[in-house]
Amino acid sequence: QKEVEQDPGPLSVPEGAIVSLNCTYSNSAFQYFMWYRQYSRKGPELLMYTYSSGNKEDGRFTAQVDKSSKYISLFIRDSQPSDSATYLCAMMEDSNYQLIWGAGTKLIIKP
Amino acid sequence: EAGVTQFPSHSVIEKGQTVTLRCDPISGHDNLYWYRRVMGKEIKFLLHFVKESKQDESGMPNNRFLAERTGGTYSTLKVQPAELEDSGVYFCASSRDRGTGELFFGEGSRLTVL
Repeated sequence: QKEVEQDPGPLSVPEGAIVSLNCTYSNSAFQYFMWYRQYSRKGPELLMYTYSSGNKEDGRFTAQVDKSSKYISLFIRDSQPSDSATYLCAMMEDSNYQLIWGAGTKLIIKP
Repeated sequence: EAGVTQFPSHSVIEKGQTVTLRCDPISGHDNLYWYRRVMGKEIKFLLHFVKESKQDESGMPNNRFLAERTGGTYSTLKVQPAELEDSGVYFCASSRDRGTGELFFGEGSRLTVL
């Protein structure tokens, strides 16, 4: 069983829709939860970062962490074609600085 | 501010040859990481430098891989001799702090071993 599970998609939605992306994990020691965005042939770019449980909002993006369910989500409001990319979740323990990654979900926003 | 730069962007070599990948981190970032993504798999950690010291190299697959960071600036990752399963994209990342997961990634070096 993988430590982090993420549906690879693709997920195709119309422009303006609310997008919901999620990951589940098995390691209860994870404390840092990140969402990275990766465009084709580029490196991952940090979008959202959360420590422990709770919600975090930044513009059109909201990250949620539910540690009791071992489930994290990223919501994108008013999605734009420029949001089309692969979204990767990554997690890390407190004292181990290795990021553990999901497979990435390919998101397509149709104009 | 310049981002993380990696060279080459793509390398095609024969099995048994040697390849050296280079990473220049963001200036002032003491932490430098190497990650790798092979086809169809998740991104995997290789190793972590703090300045010129290897903090964690537990992700290095075997002794055909050698990473260095001379003087705590740029880093190189050498694969010698390369095998078919080494093909993938090698990402370098850097950070100012090491405990947060807020990494800045380069665009990656794509390695194809034939």
